[in-house]
Amino acid sequence: GAVVSQHPSWVICKSGTSVKIECRSLDFQATTMFWYRQFPKQSLMLMATSNEGSKATYEQGVEKDKFLINHASLTLSTLTVTSAHPEDSSFYICSARDDISGRAPEQYFGPGTRLTVT
Amino acid sequence: GNSVTQMEGPVTLSEEAFLTINCTYTATGYPSLFWYVQYPGEGLQLLLKATKADDKGSNKGFEATYRKETTSFHLEKGSVQVSDSAVYFCALSEIQGAQKLVFGQGTRLTINP
Repeated sequence: GAVVSQHPSWVICKSGTSVKIECRSLDFQATTMFWYRQFPKQSLMLMATSNEGSKATYEQGVEKDKFLINHASLTLSTLTVTSAHPEDSSFYICSARDDISGRAPEQYFGPGTRLTVT
Repeated sequence: GNSVTQMEGPVTLSEEAFLTINCTYTATGYPSLFWYVQYPGEGLQLLLKATKADDKGSNKGFEATYRKETTSFHLEKGSVQVSDSAVYFCALSEIQGAQKLVFGQGTRLTINP
C-alpha cells in the first residue's frame, strides 16, 4: 500500500513552453502533498507544500507564478512549469502524506519526473 | 534554520562489510529523524525513523540512534549485501505544523560481490 505515482516519468520540452507534471496517491487520500526539486548529485529541495482545496505554500525563493501548483482532489496534485527555460531542467519529485487513514502520517514519495528544457 | 549534513559519497564496500554513513543535524527544538533509501529507478522509501532522543530506528538490518548530545543519527549495518546498493538520504522534520522534511545531500552506496 501507500503508492504514489508521477506522470510523465520524463519529458523534453522547448524553451518557452509549459509542462504539467501529475502526482497521484493511488491507494490513499492525501490532504497534503509536497513538491521537491533535485539537482544532479544533490539533495532534494522542498519547493512547495500543496494543500487540497487551498493555495500552495511556497518556500522562500521559489517563484509561485512560474511553478503553479494545483491540488484539486485528495489524490491528485499537479505542478506546472510555466515558460520553461533550460535552467528549469531538473528532477522533480512529489510526496504525499497519508494523514487520513489513521496510519502513521509519513510521506510517501513518487518516482520522480525528469524535465529537460531545450 | 534546520539543516542536515551527511557524509559525502560515493561509498564502495565489499559484500558483508560493516557500513556506517554519518549524519548530523542542526535544528530548533526536537525534530524527528529519518533515513530514506532510493533504489535505482525508484522513489524514495522510508528506511527507518526515530522521533525522540535515544530512540533507535531499525529495519532490514539497518540501525540508527537519535543522539541529541551529538546531534547525530548515523546509519549502520553489520553486513551489507549487493542489494543494499542505493542512495541513502538522512532527513529531519518538524514535529508540528506541516512536518516538512529537510534532507541531507545523499550518499551513494555501491556494494561489490
